[in-house]
Amino acid sequence: AQSVSQHNHHVILSEAASLELGCNYSYGGTVNLFWYVQYPGQHLQLLLKYFSGDPLVKGIKGFEAEFIKSKFSFNLRKPSVQWSDTAEYFCAVKTTKAAGNKLTFGGGTRVLVKP
Amino acid sequence: TAGITQAPTSQILAAGRSMTLRCTQDMRHNAMYWYRQDLGLGLRLIHYSNTAGTTGKGEVPDGYSVSRANTDDFPLTLASAVPSQTSVYFCASSEQDNTEAFFGQGTRLTVV
Repeated sequence: AQSVSQHNHHVILSEAASLELGCNYSYGGTVNLFWYVQYPGQHLQLLLKYFSGDPLVKGIKGFEAEFIKSKFSFNLRKPSVQWSDTAEYFCAVKTTKAAGNKLTFGGGTRVLVKP
Repeated sequence: TAGITQAPTSQILAAGRSMTLRCTQDMRHNAMYWYRQDLGLGLRLIHYSNTAGTTGKGEVPDGYSVSRANTDDFPLTLASAVPSQTSVYFCASSEQDNTEAFFGQGTRLTVV
């Protein structure tokens, strides 16, 4: 069964600082990779996704992520955060239909951006 | 566009009682999922369904059951609720390969 690990449970940083959130997964087959964001009191929204092709993917709100297959990693980055980026961020991995189509999430990282 | 609708939005339930959380999607997605979200534990998969008529167990299936009689509906039932099932429950759906999942607004359940 696949699993997803997010390295940081909590991150506190100031506006304009750079953000990088780590994500590693364990699964040997083909996967789809995602980062979701959950703003306080809201449901999950998709930030970005990787299916195939260019391993550097760009999402909404200035976020990007890089898939490094050899490291089973899919780290999220943003060069300059804003106060409105305060939220919880989840990395997720989905296996193919042939492998059960399971969508598994990491434990989440709570990000607090101080104004 | 409705997307995924969950009901109720919140509920307080006495321990030992049964309850069904409803989830309906209008996107004709084949795959549907139920997760529970607990502080520090992220989202944990309870049950999932790849297509109508089939279901599978996730990471934390004990105490929960699901059914998938048609494409649109994926109800989650707690047969005899316990306080440890206090959580926020999210339903999600997706097409299968190479698509993202879409989430409902969640159901906040408190078992007392």
